[in-house]
Amino acid sequence: EPEVTQTPSHQVTQMGQEVILRCVPISNHLYFYWYRQILGQKVEFLVSFYNNEISEKSEIFDDQFSVERPDGSNFTLKIRSTKLEDSAMYFCASTLLTGPRQPQHFGDGTRLSIL
Amino acid sequence: ILNVEQSPQSLHVQEGDSTNFTCSFPSSNFYALHWYRWETAKSPEALFVMTLNGDEKKKGRISATLNTKEGYSYLYIKGSQPEDSATYLCAFVIQTGANNLFFGTGTRLTVIP
Repeated sequence: EPEVTQTPSHQVTQMGQEVILRCVPISNHLYFYWYRQILGQKVEFLVSFYNNEISEKSEIFDDQFSVERPDGSNFTLKIRSTKLEDSAMYFCASTLLTGPRQPQHFGDGTRLSIL
Repeated sequence: ILNVEQSPQSLHVQEGDSTNFTCSFPSSNFYALHWYRWETAKSPEALFVMTLNGDEKKKGRISATLNTKEGYSYLYIKGSQPEDSATYLCAFVIQTGANNLFFGTGTRLTVIP
């Protein structure tokens, strides 16, 4: 069964550095999402993306964050200048169609640790 | 901020026992309710998506019900097996046109052989 893949599985970065988290959504999917889970907290929505544009973003997704689909397969999340509170598990998800009935297909996540 | 709550937070059951847990969500602006199963070190996997009040869905030994008027959904597991051990997440979709998920806190189920 096709999967969403995320790399790296664990990223350790110094505070203030830029980090790029990579995702390869399922190949024919059109809608892409990033979520994060800070340890001990709920999974939180960050951003959704369709047709090379952000569709929706949460309050967490400030100017330090950006997303890009640089080619036909990758979907990246960039954090420009990382803070300690950015330490979390980051999940990418994709769907073929839009709509509330579409189950989202998640990757295994990237654990980001900011030192 | 949308409040989606799940209870209990964690649960230990013996193999063969049946169990259920609850997801509570706002009853206004309801659009859909998703259930995901999340095993440690794996990705969350979709179990059910429900949209209509009174919906019941079943997948093997796992089933779910939905009450949109009072804002809750139950997930039932019949005859729990060790492989059912996972965190079960519910996620609410609000009727704004966006399809992002608002997750609950999760219920961590451990099935003891």
